[in-house]
Amino acid sequence: KNQVEQSPQSLIILEGKNCTLQCNYTVSPFSNLRWYKQDTGRGPVSLTIMTFSENTKSNGRYTATLDADTKQSSLHITASQLSDSASYICVVSASGNAGNMLTFGGGTRLMVKP
Amino acid sequence: KAGVTQTPRYLIKTRGQQVTLSCSPISGHRSVSWYQQTPGQGLQFLFEYFSETQRNKGNFPGRFSGRQFSNSRSEMNVSTLELGDSALYLCASSLGWSSLNYEQYFGPGTRLTVT
Repeated sequence: KNQVEQSPQSLIILEGKNCTLQCNYTVSPFSNLRWYKQDTGRGPVSLTIMTFSENTKSNGRYTATLDADTKQSSLHITASQLSDSASYICVVSASGNAGNMLTFGGGTRLMVKP
Repeated sequence: KAGVTQTPRYLIKTRGQQVTLSCSPISGHRSVSWYQQTPGQGLQFLFEYFSETQRNKGNFPGRFSGRQFSNSRSEMNVSTLELGDSALYLCASSLGWSSLNYEQYFGPGTRLTVT
């Protein structure tokens, strides 16, 4: 069964600190992995999307890594800001046409405190 | 370029009623997907449309239905509402034929409350 597990479920850090969010997946066959940021009450916004051949991708202070061998991804946030407080969702896409193959993680809720 | 728009933003219905939600994709996008998001279940896929055809469907009962028009705008309908249908309903559009291989852009969602 395709699954995406994210950890931790929630995280509180101080403004200016770095943090790393984890995503482990068992989706197969793998096509791409996405990280989204979702502010409370709003739709998710894409941060990065990585294919099998990419192992690092950055978007400003956000850097995502992908290890396709161990089926793990991480999202590193550098010099956190109050506006980083949000839920971060990992989504894995499987190749193939047998039904929808987007599998969503449960998300990590990040709170950045001053 | 305008983003994905969803109407209405908030809706309160009573059990047994039906509801129709609307989504206008980004101009030029022809693929539209719908999701239900609840605190307990997270994001769950409802269905995906491309060129007025349903390409994929998630594991939801037949009370949930959708359609796409020739201008790519999409609607979803929920009949015989249940309390458990209270959720944020998100629409996302993609440039390509499938959300699997193309980046998705989400709308702000419609918050449905069933009482």
